Amino acid sequence: AQSVAQPEDQVNVAEGNPLTVKCTYSVSGNPYLFWYVQYPNRGLQFLLKYITGDNLVKGSYGFEAEFNKSQTSFHLKKPSALVSDSALYFCAVRDGRQLTFGSGTQLTVLP
Amino acid sequence: GAGVSQSPRYKVTKRGQDVALRCDPISGHVSLYWYRQALGQGPEFLTYFNYEAQQDKSGLPNDRFSAERPEGSISTLTIQRTEQRDSAMYRCASSFRENNEQFFGPGTRLTVL
Repeated sequence: AQSVAQPEDQVNVAEGNPLTVKCTYSVSGNPYLFWYVQYPNRGLQFLLKYITGDNLVKGSYGFEAEFNKSQTSFHLKKPSALVSDSALYFCAVRDGRQLTFGSGTQLTVLP
Repeated sequence: GAGVSQSPRYKVTKRGQDVALRCDPISGHVSLYWYRQALGQGPEFLTYFNYEAQQDKSGLPNDRFSAERPEGSISTLTIQRTEQRDSAMYRCASSFRENNEQFFGPGTRLTVL
């Protein structure tokens, strides 16, 4: 079965600084990887996906993610964090037709 | 808006009662998925449909859980004889086709007393 791991429950970063939210994956075959964000009292919002092609994937709200096959990682990044980026972030992998999610990383951007 | 909608948003019920949770997917989306999310965890797959056909129900925890999508649009997740351990956020998602990204609704928070 496919799986993803998010090693950090919590990430704190100062506003204006770059942010990274880590994700590693374990798959058989080609990975199809996703990032979602969950704001309080709202549904999961799709940020970006990697299917094939360029290792650097650009998504919504200025986020990007870097696919690294040798390290089996798919870290989420943003060059300059905003306070409004504070939310719960989930990495996911497609496993058949369903998504298998990581446990989530709470990102807090401090003003 | 044209997003995925779910109702009710909150449901409190007593142990032993049946509940029905509704999902209205994005118009034109073929695939519909149900997930369950415990507090502090990522969503876990329950079941999914293509059109009206239930393609995979391997994530349903036991036979008290069932889902249907009779006309290939709105779906209902039913939990019979609810138990306290059923308390969770139930999320629905839809996608244009099977391999497209999934768009999630706001969820139904179920509390079983």
